[in-house]
Amino acid sequence: AQTVTQSQPEMSVQEAETVTLSCTYDTSESNYYLFWYKQPPSRQMILVIRQEAYKQQNATENRFSVNFQKAAKSFSLKISDSQLGDTAMYFCAFMFPNFGNEKLTFGTGTRLTIIP
Amino acid sequence: DGGITQSPKYLFRKEGQNVTLSCEQNLNHDAMYWYRQDPGQGLRLIYYSQIVNDFQKGDIAEGYSVSREKKESFPLTVTSAQKNPTAFYLCASSIIPGTRSGANVLTFGAGSRLTVL
Repeated sequence: AQTVTQSQPEMSVQEAETVTLSCTYDTSESNYYLFWYKQPPSRQMILVIRQEAYKQQNATENRFSVNFQKAAKSFSLKISDSQLGDTAMYFCAFMFPNFGNEKLTFGTGTRLTIIP
Repeated sequence: DGGITQSPKYLFRKEGQNVTLSCEQNLNHDAMYWYRQDPGQGLRLIYYSQIVNDFQKGDIAEGYSVSREKKESFPLTVTSAQKNPTAFYLCASSIIPGTRSGANVLTFGAGSRLTVL
């Protein structure tokens, strides 16, 4: 079974600074997908970024980028030029593409607060 | 606009009662999921369905039941057998994972908060 670990329950950073959220996972599979989801105070889950394990290039989406280290099973999220709207819970998630039996496994989340 | 609608947003239940949470999507997605969220535990999978009239248990299915009679709808019933039902419930949907570009990404509803009195 796959597991996802987020070791930072809470983090805070000043507005405009850069922050990195950590995520590690455990799997014996070689092909899989990794995600970061954001849950703001509204509690609506929003996809931040997605990484396919067979792609060596790190995914980026505007101010959000990942550092994907496959051998180390690490998948950290970097938020550059942080904004007040980035305040949210951030969840790391893993999916193994097993046709007909796909499931998204989540970590316990990191609560990020952006300080004005 | 396409999306996922969950209702009700807030629900109160007396102990011993069954309640049903609604989830409807107009995204033409094949797969649908139910997750439970508790403080400090992230999201845990209850049930999921890839096609109509078929569904699989997730990690914490005990005390819950689902049906998938229509592609658009995936209601969740919280039965009296669920010992600790107070939680936030999230419904999600996706294109069948692995079938084409954009697959494997889940779209979530706004959630339903269930409180047992």
